Amino acid sequence: DTEVTQTPKHLVMGMTNKKSLKCEQHMGHRAMYWYKQKAKKPPELMFVYSYEKLSINESVPSRFSPECPNSSLLNLHLHALQPEDSALYLCASSLRTGGPYNEQFFGPGTRLTVL
Amino acid sequence: RKEVEQDPGPFNVPEGATVAFNCTYSNSASQSFFWYRQDCRKEPKLLMSVYSSGNEDGRFTAQLNRASQYISLLIRDSKLSDSATYLCVVITSGTYKYIFGTGTRLKVLA
Repeated sequence: DTEVTQTPKHLVMGMTNKKSLKCEQHMGHRAMYWYKQKAKKPPELMFVYSYEKLSINESVPSRFSPECPNSSLLNLHLHALQPEDSALYLCASSLRTGGPYNEQFFGPGTRLTVL
Repeated sequence: RKEVEQDPGPFNVPEGATVAFNCTYSNSASQSFFWYRQDCRKEPKLLMSVYSSGNEDGRFTAQLNRASQYISLLIRDSKLSDSATYLCVVITSGTYKYIFGTGTRLKVLA
């Protein structure tokens, strides 16, 4: 099973709402990532978890709050977002964070629209 | 200068053609290289890792030129289904962050 799943596929929220994005993998990977992708741009790294601990936060605003409840699950909690936060949010996982040829596998993404 | 650069294209080629893309990287300490393809409004999918000696997977061939700091992707006998954006990814030694190129758009025409 080389699949990363994400829910929901689409999300529309107002600027005062609180919502969560979910990501799951059952490949035994110990590194999980959140990326944000705007149209016609490459993915931008937001957070990295390694062995369920946050190891990288790319200066992401606090209205985005990641959580890794266990080695298979990754959440992204959203609160008080701005319209410019509308984007495709991608989750990825890899066997580990270090070492060469550490391929990342991406989930299908959640397309978020903030009104 | 961007850390990883790609020609954004689009490359418009007829079916059956051979097409090649290059991706240049600026950090000589870069150690791992990948090609991903991304279809419109979909996630990036790993196409192939790029090894020092070059590697081939069916119609796809990847090469690494460390002296000139670029990687290449060659697609032979292009299919309509090859139409996508091809993203080059580089990992620098000592980090584990993916550095993405901006992507090259390929359109294969019937």
